[in-house]
Amino acid sequence: RKEVEQDPGPFNVPEGATVAFNCTYSNSASQSFFWYRQDCRKEPKLLMSVYSSGNEDGRFTAQLNRASQYISLLIRDSKLSDSATYLCVVKDPYNKLIFGAGTRLAVHP
Amino acid sequence: EPEVTQTPSHQVTQMGQEVILRCVPISNHLYFYWYRQILGQKVEFLVSFYNNEISEKSEIFDDQFSVERPDGSNFTLKIRSTKLEDSAMYFCASSADSAWNEQFFGPGTRLTVL
Repeated sequence: RKEVEQDPGPFNVPEGATVAFNCTYSNSASQSFFWYRQDCRKEPKLLMSVYSSGNEDGRFTAQLNRASQYISLLIRDSKLSDSATYLCVVKDPYNKLIFGAGTRLAVHP
Repeated sequence: EPEVTQTPSHQVTQMGQEVILRCVPISNHLYFYWYRQILGQKVEFLVSFYNNEISEKSEIFDDQFSVERPDGSNFTLKIRSTKLEDSAMYFCASSADSAWNEQFFGPGTRLTVL
């Protein structure tokens, strides 16, 4: 089983749509959880941390279910600039980041 | 805003040659990391470094790889004898501490081994 698993997409959505990404992780001892965004041939950039109680940052909402080892990201009112690859990332007990392969999002006019 | 910088942005080398990739982490950060991303694949952890020693390394980080903090600002990754399969994007990252802080990534060095 992959350590962090994501649907690769691509998700092709019109501007203004709501889109949801899911992710599962295998190590129940994982410490912290993140969504990163990666544009083509660029470095990963932190979008948001994910907390057990769920958290929201503007149009972005992240949820964590530790019992199911499941993480989600919801993007509301998609913008053209949201087009990117979204990386589900888990920090293991040894402080290293374990990346999923990413979910590609393409927002079109 | 402070940022991690990396040089060079692109390095082309012949198989069997040594390369050194350079990184300048954010100045007050204490934890340093190297990751790599082969084209079309996921980002993979290579090594973490704290207090002038390796704290964790992956199975990718074999005897051909080494890291060093030669002075107070630079953090380097050396590949002793490059192979074709070492071609990838190498990202340096740093964080203020190990527990909850974000790891900030540099823009990467694209290594091409011919």
